[in-house]
Amino acid sequence: DQQVKQNSPSLSVQEGRISILNCDYTNSMFDYFLWYKKYPAEGPTFLISISSIKDKNEDGRFTVFLNKSAKHLSLHIVPSQPGDSAVYFCAASITGNQFYFGTGTSLTVIP
Amino acid sequence: ETGVTQSPTHLIKTRGQQVTLRCSSQSGHNTVSWYQQALGQGPQFIFQYYREEENGRGNFPPRFSGLQFPNYSSELNVNALELDDSALYLCASSEGGLAGTYEQYFGPGTRLTVT
Repeated sequence: DQQVKQNSPSLSVQEGRISILNCDYTNSMFDYFLWYKKYPAEGPTFLISISSIKDKNEDGRFTVFLNKSAKHLSLHIVPSQPGDSAVYFCAASITGNQFYFGTGTSLTVIP
Repeated sequence: ETGVTQSPTHLIKTRGQQVTLRCSSQSGHNTVSWYQQALGQGPQFIFQYYREEENGRGNFPPRFSGLQFPNYSSELNVNALELDDSALYLCASSEGGLAGTYEQYFGPGTRLTVT
């Protein structure tokens, strides 16, 4: 039972443009959402998070939007850079004891 | 400040054998979570340990067991290995309490192959 879904396995974007990665979830009990970035042969690296009491969180070029009514979150990267090319996972948690990850979206930023 | 380390990097085992994977948490972190990541999938939560006690468990059978030591390092043990246990095993540490904490820092993983 996949409670967190990333329906786009891959995404290609031109350098300097916006990258939008999407994530849907089914469990309304999730109270915290995170995005991780993963390079080959490395563990996931924490990128940005958002609490369920907010609908937006920004950190530099990265912004996460949360739409609780639609059970949807998205990660915006502006402007996209070639170094952003990686696999991005969204994850959701209930009280921080269990984390549910999506299947990942592979982002390629074309120079 | 040292990051999360895992050993070994790679491991090949035969079906039916037992395996122990090790994780050293990041300095100052008292919570360790273990994940299994199959090829093409996202990490699947196995369990979490906080101050040597299990603090949450995912949908994995009892042959997956764990341990956390007083220095907060951790072991994942898998008995009676099956072919489907072949995966990347990730350990993540965090600075938290019983209510959990959200920012986890991952190690590079151990690649387990069961033949």
